Amino acid sequence: QKEVEQDPGPLSVPEGAIVSLNCTYSNSAFQYFMWYRQYSRKGPELLMYTYSSGNKEDGRFTAQVDKSSKYISLFIRDSQPSDSATYLCAMSYTMDSSYKLIFGSGTRLLVRP
Amino acid sequence: DVKVTQSSRYLVKRTGEKVFLECVQDMDHENMFWYRQDPGLGLRLIYFSYDVKMKEKGDIPEGYSVSREKKERFSLILESASTNQTSMYLCASSHGLYDNEQFFGPGTRLTVL
Repeated sequence: QKEVEQDPGPLSVPEGAIVSLNCTYSNSAFQYFMWYRQYSRKGPELLMYTYSSGNKEDGRFTAQVDKSSKYISLFIRDSQPSDSATYLCAMSYTMDSSYKLIFGSGTRLLVRP
Repeated sequence: DVKVTQSSRYLVKRTGEKVFLECVQDMDHENMFWYRQDPGLGLRLIYFSYDVKMKEKGDIPEGYSVSREKKERFSLILESASTNQTSMYLCASSHGLYDNEQFFGPGTRLTVL
């Protein structure tokens, strides 16, 4: 079983829709949860970053972490064609001077005009 | 504007050839990373370096080596390329080794025939 599972999509939505992207994980040691966005022919870039459980909002984007269910989500409100990209979840922990960072395989999102 | 650049966007090599992938960052970051990205498998860490001439194996180092002679430059070497090394290769850098924000280059798509 992979440590981080993410549906590859593609997820196709009309402009203005609310988008929900999700990841599940198996290792309860993960403490930090990230979402990276990767446009076609570009490298990933950090979009949002949360520590432990709870919600974090940044403009049209909301990241949600439910550690009890080992489930994280990224919501995009009023989605735009420019949001079309692959979204990778990532999670990490630091323990006894060791550090582990794992990326999901990414969900491809297409927002239709 | 922070920048990580990679020497080639596309590369085609033959089985058995020695391949060099170059990465340069202009952010004065201590840490640099090489990943490969494959559909369904996400980003997998090959090697990382936390200082000049220092390197550590990642999760999938077999068949690869690295070189870091200068702080800003990190090279990935495929000593004898094989078809199963056909992939997208991404270089990244970060300020702290345990930083959850890594800055990625645009990637090199390597095809080994």
